[in-house]
Amino acid sequence: QSVLTQPPSVSGAPGQKVTISCTGSSSNIGADYYVHWYQQLPGTAPKLLIRDNTIRPSGVPDRFSGSKSGTSVSLAISGLQAEDEADYYCQSYDLSLSAWVFGGGTKLTVL
Amino acid sequence: QLTLKESGPTLVKPTQTLTLTCTFSGFSLRTTGVGVAWIRQPPGKALEWLALIYWNDDKRYSPSLKNRLTITKDTSRDQVVLTMTNLDPVDTATYYCAHTDYGDYTSFDFWGHGTLVTVSS
Repeated sequence: QSVLTQPPSVSGAPGQKVTISCTGSSSNIGADYYVHWYQQLPGTAPKLLIRDNTIRPSGVPDRFSGSKSGTSVSLAISGLQAEDEADYYCQSYDLSLSAWVFGGGTKLTVL
Repeated sequence: QLTLKESGPTLVKPTQTLTLTCTFSGFSLRTTGVGVAWIRQPPGKALEWLALIYWNDDKRYSPSLKNRLTITKDTSRDQVVLTMTNLDPVDTATYYCAHTDYGDYTSFDFWGHGTLVTVSS
């Protein structure tokens, strides 16, 4: 069981907006550790998508955005495209474990 | 451009020791603030952080695996080596190395392609 909780799957039609949540606790997200998001296309390595809760690295489309509220963070993907179909992981640091931790991953299906 | 590449055996027998090498370019572990991490992913499962080493030889390990892991660096070769002892079939996974900056707050911003290690007799 992952320290950070994500929904196993989400789906949306092309052009729609979807949101993926990542819930933690007072020892990670609630302790104000940044959350980072990764996109893993089928058969490839993870790619940094959002860092420091809300910042898009260079080259990441502005259709991807991150937000935070309390001990939860969210990744929003607007204007869904077929190529967005992938697994998405959140990641943070846990003070109690003294470890970098990942969520269980969310599979996005574009209908 | 930062690049990383993992190398090592594809098949390991149970109880054996696994040695993986991460060879990188575009950055140096002589540079203050630089780190390299190892992360693994069992087939069809989530990512799991294993270990991390910084430019100053500060080493961090996953609490659940620390007794089995050793991470070292060779700055002259631009390589980081991960050793994992007493392999078990549950250690079957794709193993990635990734670049990071110093600090608990930072992300893993550049990843290698990964290497699949199967543990089986």
